[in-house]
Amino acid sequence: DTGVSQNPRHKITKRGQNVTFRCDPISEHNRLYWYRQTLGQGPEFLTYFQNEAQLEKSRLLSDRFSAERPKGSFSTLEIQRTEQGDSAMYLCASSLGGAGEYNEQFFGPGTRLTVL
Amino acid sequence: AQSVTQPDIHITVSEGASLELRCNYSYGATPYLFWYVQSPGQGLQLLLKYFSGDTLVQGIKGFEAEFKRSQSSFNLRKPSVHWSDAAEYFCAVGSNTGNQFYFGTGTSLTVIP
Repeated sequence: DTGVSQNPRHKITKRGQNVTFRCDPISEHNRLYWYRQTLGQGPEFLTYFQNEAQLEKSRLLSDRFSAERPKGSFSTLEIQRTEQGDSAMYLCASSLGGAGEYNEQFFGPGTRLTVL
Repeated sequence: AQSVTQPDIHITVSEGASLELRCNYSYGATPYLFWYVQSPGQGLQLLLKYFSGDTLVQGIKGFEAEFKRSQSSFNLRKPSVHWSDAAEYFCAVGSNTGNQFYFGTGTSLTVIP
């Protein structure tokens, strides 16, 4: 494994349906991040895990969004009752480091969600 | 609060010409600054980063950036652009907790032959 992988790469769903995305980070990385990127914008932070603990959440992460990293390896991001405004690219990144350390985040290719 | 501004939404340069992409940040302490490139269908790739020390940092693909504290800037430069450099470029600043990046809105680069 040479990088962060995300599945699926594309997801089309109808409004009101639930969707789940998966991220597999670089194997030795203990930190995992989710970002959302809409057209013409830079990525916006959603949430962050240190191992299995979700340590930080953006206010962008409404109660319809939930993220897990049950064993400190892969992570899932679920969106319930999708809305058209959820249409975006969802990016996952991982890094290796301790608290307060700044290390390069390696990004996956993203999952593009289209809500009809 | 941290923020990043990339004033140029779109830039067009001729192949072989020099390039400068602007980035201004807002941060209360010593910033941790990054430039990423995003090609269609590809993930974000780190070009270079500044944590401390020499204010002129070298990156991959012939890119460099200069940190200027007095101007709150971290502009990206390349002396001679190649057609393969056409992509979206994002400047980012690391949060004071080290837990997230704040990205600018990006600059789209077009390279004409």
